[in-house]
Amino acid sequence: NAGVMQNPRHLVRRRGQEARLRCSPMKGHSHVYWYRQLPEEGLKFMVYLQKENIIDESGMPKERFSAEFPKEGPSILRIQQVVRGDSAAYFCATGVGSRTEAFFGQGTRLTVV
Amino acid sequence: EDQVTQSPEALRLQEGESSSLNCSYTVSGLRGLFWYRQDPGKGPEFLFTLYSAGEEKEKERLKATLTKKESFLHITAPKPEDSATYLCAVLKGGSEKLVFGKGTKLTVNP
Repeated sequence: NAGVMQNPRHLVRRRGQEARLRCSPMKGHSHVYWYRQLPEEGLKFMVYLQKENIIDESGMPKERFSAEFPKEGPSILRIQQVVRGDSAAYFCATGVGSRTEAFFGQGTRLTVV
Repeated sequence: EDQVTQSPEALRLQEGESSSLNCSYTVSGLRGLFWYRQDPGKGPEFLFTLYSAGEEKEKERLKATLTKKESFLHITAPKPEDSATYLCAVLKGGSEKLVFGKGTKLTVNP
């Protein structure tokens, strides 16, 4: 899974600031999935994107969270006006076809202070 | 509601002491069951995908099996480097999102 690049690895934000998390898929991968992992909780699906399209955002909070996967460049998960409850590890997974879920990045650990 | 339950939550083994981890699931139209390994501070590392009851897959000391209601991850003669959290997830038909269990934290003592 070294091919899926997430940055930054660690991000500290004060309450009310914006957090931008980036995910660069493995070469040739056009599907991106974002998951959130809270302490002592399992990974929870947030959003599924293909190039320039949001396919399933059923796991995204209704406010403050947005995601995009532009034609060029990485996928971005944006959290506006962060609150302490947003502190978590955010992972993206990328793929193509039936093994879409096979490859995860190393995650971004967001801490809101 | 789709559910994945893993047991035990934590397991301590001595090196060489074989055991099994359980993943029970309730999902309509299972399309695949996935096992991942996750080390502290790292992302999940893919191990296996199982697609139908009766299927088995092996990799080194690990063997995954699947029935209609549960999956087992068998660990034969584990080594300390097998210490990690093992995650189980299911994918159902018509969906592209994995539903994960909370994992089993395995510790193998030398």
